[in-house]
Amino acid sequence: ETGVTQTPRHLVMGMTNKKSLKCEQHLGHNAMYWYKQSAKKPLELMFVYNFKEQTENNSVPSRFSPECPNSSHLFLHLHTLQPEDSALYLCASSQMGQGNQPQHFGDGTRLSIL
Amino acid sequence: KNEVEQSPQNLTAQEGEFITINCSYSVGISALHWLQQHPGGGIVSLFMLSSGKKKHGRLIATINIQEKHSSLHITASHPRDSAVYICAVSRYQGAQKLVFGQGTRLTINP
Repeated sequence: ETGVTQTPRHLVMGMTNKKSLKCEQHLGHNAMYWYKQSAKKPLELMFVYNFKEQTENNSVPSRFSPECPNSSHLFLHLHTLQPEDSALYLCASSQMGQGNQPQHFGDGTRLSIL
Repeated sequence: KNEVEQSPQNLTAQEGEFITINCSYSVGISALHWLQQHPGGGIVSLFMLSSGKKKHGRLIATINIQEKHSSLHITASHPRDSAVYICAVSRYQGAQKLVFGQGTRLTINP
């Protein structure tokens, strides 16, 4: 139990579907992150939210739409995805503003685009 | 060339062996992180260090700031240590954007 819960764990969707990934953290952190991990590539940062405000968008295509309604919840809305978007999507949280802090990761959602 | 390089990319060893995974980086950093990713995908933060050495159970992490190099050691390795070990660096104090290595896949055979 890492304190960061992601649902669903697995998702298969067609290119025309709309789905959402959910992340919830129970650690009282004020920053949340979305990462993408493709096969044989390092982790890629997608978005950062601090105190519910987006502070980083790492040139992510608009077919990925994040939402952070509060400091504990983070969503990633997906629409008209491409086969190359198949990957493991990881959520993380940390406490910003206290120097270097470790990031706490969820177990990820493995996404397959048909 | 990546800013963070790990070696080896793959490592297979027998139970009980002493394991070393290396991480070299080419940029100034504030802290270096070692992460463990199990086959299911979840990632656990093992260490965050900016100097010297840290130990937790059978795991030891060291860093040499002058040489821009860190090592992760596992003593008395066990099949449950099989995972991908990832090195990442924070470029400045409090940086939220980490720069990741490509990971080292470790397999410990019984």
